[in-house]
Amino acid sequence: DIQMTQSPSTLSASVGDRVTITCRASQSISSWLAWYQQKPGKAPKLLIYKASSLESGVPSRFSGSGSGTEFTLTISSLQPDDFATYYCQHLSTFGQGTKLEIK
Amino acid sequence: QVQLQESGPGLVKPSQTLSLTCTVSGGSISSGSYYWSWIRQPAGKGLEWIGRIYTSGSTNYNPSLKSRVTISVDTSKNQFSLKLSSVTAADTAVYYCARGTSGSYYSPVDYWGQGTLVTVSS
Repeated sequence: DIQMTQSPSTLSASVGDRVTITCRASQSISSWLAWYQQKPGKAPKLLIYKASSLESGVPSRFSGSGSGTEFTLTISSLQPDDFATYYCQHLSTFGQGTKLEIK
Repeated sequence: QVQLQESGPGLVKPSQTLSLTCTVSGGSISSGSYYWSWIRQPAGKGLEWIGRIYTSGSTNYNPSLKSRVTISVDTSKNQFSLKLSSVTAADTAVYYCARGTSGSYYSPVDYWGQGTLVTVSS
C-alpha cells in the first residue's frame, strides 16, 4: 500500500504569512493528489485536485505543486479563515494531517 | 446543488453490525459519472477512507476494512449504504458520506455530508 506522509504535523503562523505544507508518497503517484481543508466539527473541503488544479470557488492564494512522490500546498498570504487542518489524499490513503495554528 | 445526509443509529454494541444510509438530494444518484464514498474520522484523529461504490454497483474497499465492509446503492431511493460488521470500540468515529468529483478512479471527493457520530459501546 502507498503511504502518504505530511509535514509538519503542526504549523504556527501569522496572518499574512506564506506557508507551505508537504506531502510525500511512498512511491510515485504521478499527479494523483488532492488537498482538503477541515475546520473543527465540519466536513473537509476540497481545495486542490490533480496536484495543482484549484477547485472552483477556492481562493487563488491556495496553490498546489509537485508530481511523483513530493507535493506541496502553499498559501500565499494567510487569512484568518485559513487556520484549520489540511490533509493530502491519494486514492484510499490520507496523510495524517497538518494543523495550521495562529502564532 | 447536491446535498448528502447520513442517517443511522448513533450507538452500536460491540460485535454487532454498523449500518448507515446516505440520502442524496439535489440530483439523481445515477445521473452523471460519479462514485459515492464513505470516509470516517475518530475523534481528534485523521481521515480514513472506507470505500466507494459506482452506480454500476462496482465497489472498492480499504484493504484494512475489506473483510468487514459492504457498500450498496439503491437508485430508486437515491441512497447508498454502509454496513460494517463485527464492530469494536476502534470503529467509533464520525462517519461521512461523500461524492467523487467524477467517475475517474483517481478523482477526489467534492460534496460531503455533515457527518454522523457512531459510538460502539455496550
